[in-house]
Amino acid sequence: ILNVEQSPQSLHVQEGDSTNFTCSFPSSNFYALHWYRWETAKSPEALFVMTLNGDEKKKGRISATLNTKEGYSYLYIKGSQPEDSATYLCAFIAQGAQKLVFGQGTRLTINP
Amino acid sequence: DAGVTQSPTHLIKTRGQQVTLRCSPKSGHDTVSWYQQALGQGPQFIFQYYEEEERQRGNFPDRFSGHQFPNYSSELNVNALLLGDSALYLCASSLYDRWKETQYFGPGTRLLVL
Repeated sequence: ILNVEQSPQSLHVQEGDSTNFTCSFPSSNFYALHWYRWETAKSPEALFVMTLNGDEKKKGRISATLNTKEGYSYLYIKGSQPEDSATYLCAFIAQGAQKLVFGQGTRLTINP
Repeated sequence: DAGVTQSPTHLIKTRGQQVTLRCSPKSGHDTVSWYQQALGQGPQFIFQYYEEEERQRGNFPDRFSGHQFPNYSSELNVNALLLGDSALYLCASSLYDRWKETQYFGPGTRLLVL
């Protein structure tokens, strides 16, 4: 059974502060890792698709890193804004698999 | 360009009933995957449809079945509903040979079983 864990489960951050959270996944049979942002009452939106060990991806103030050898990925948000409030999901794809295995998500709340 | 749409948005059923949820993929996409998200958990993979066939299935009982139509839209059927089937049901669409690159999700159908 594949286990994908995200920590923390929830996070409250002051506007303007930077923050980061973690996704842990199996280090064997890695194919890809997806990050999604999911705002309340909307559809999950793809942020990053990461495939190579050492990958770093950036989209505006949000960036992500990937370590496939030790099985973790970090998501960083610099200078948090209220619109960053959302649940951030990571999803692991194993070699040969036809499905995403999701973590339980990190719920981020930005306090003005 | 319409994204992924799902209907209905909310649904209330009683135990033992049957339910059908619908999904229209993003224009140009040929593959639909279904996920169940129970409260406090991440989405769990139910199954994936391509070319009107189920291609992969997660750990869900046979009460969960699906269908894909020639226009690529899809239905998820759940028979003999249990209280534990209460959840948000998401569908995601992609191109079959590029599904690992990204998935486009609909807003979900929230099912409550009483």
